[in-house]
Amino acid sequence: DAGITQSPRHKVTETGTPVTLRCHQTENHRYMYWYRQDPGHGLRLIHYSYGVKDTDKGEVSDGYSVSRSKTEDFLLTLESATSSQTSVYFCAISEDRVKEAFFGQGTRLTVV
Amino acid sequence: RKEVEQDPGPFNVPEGATVAFNCTYSNSASQSFFWYRQDCRKEPKLLMSVYSSGNEDGRFTAQLNRASQYISLLIRDSKLSDSATYLCVVTTNTGNQFYFGTGTSLTVIP
Repeated sequence: DAGITQSPRHKVTETGTPVTLRCHQTENHRYMYWYRQDPGHGLRLIHYSYGVKDTDKGEVSDGYSVSRSKTEDFLLTLESATSSQTSVYFCAISEDRVKEAFFGQGTRLTVV
Repeated sequence: RKEVEQDPGPFNVPEGATVAFNCTYSNSASQSFFWYRQDCRKEPKLLMSVYSSGNEDGRFTAQLNRASQYISLLIRDSKLSDSATYLCVVTTNTGNQFYFGTGTSLTVIP
């Protein structure tokens, strides 16, 4: 299995609080992605990174920010969590944009 | 229009049956194609890549039809352990992301 670790695996937080999710890889892959998965919507891209300090928005980026200061770490921050951000968040990595992606185990976030 | 579309199912088939899933994609510049499997409350895992000439991995066969812009997955001799959601995934040669279908649910019944 690809070396991807997400933390925390589960989190419950209150509306309005900031939350940071971490994705750590040991594969030295260039591309890293954050997705959210909700019933009826499948996997939707939030943000992605194509190198250190190089990031771009996905289709559902509002309310989220990311940072990548090292190849191995990609952080997703919810500046002020809302109930609509209750979801399962998956990090993925890829060696190349046309090669297969490997996923972390997911973070189950509940905003109350 | 969605980049990738799949029939959500559910497909309920008996053990030993053959089942086929199709997936259509909208971007003719799509370059790479994959099938992923996702078990309940788990992360998606790569099942197989899909090559232009078609490819087989044991009981699984994947095919690509570029002219009609669809890919297919055939599962022969279904096992109980094949029960999962199957995701169709596409990338393009211009974008930096993967496009996922919403998945097709398969339940293999004893």
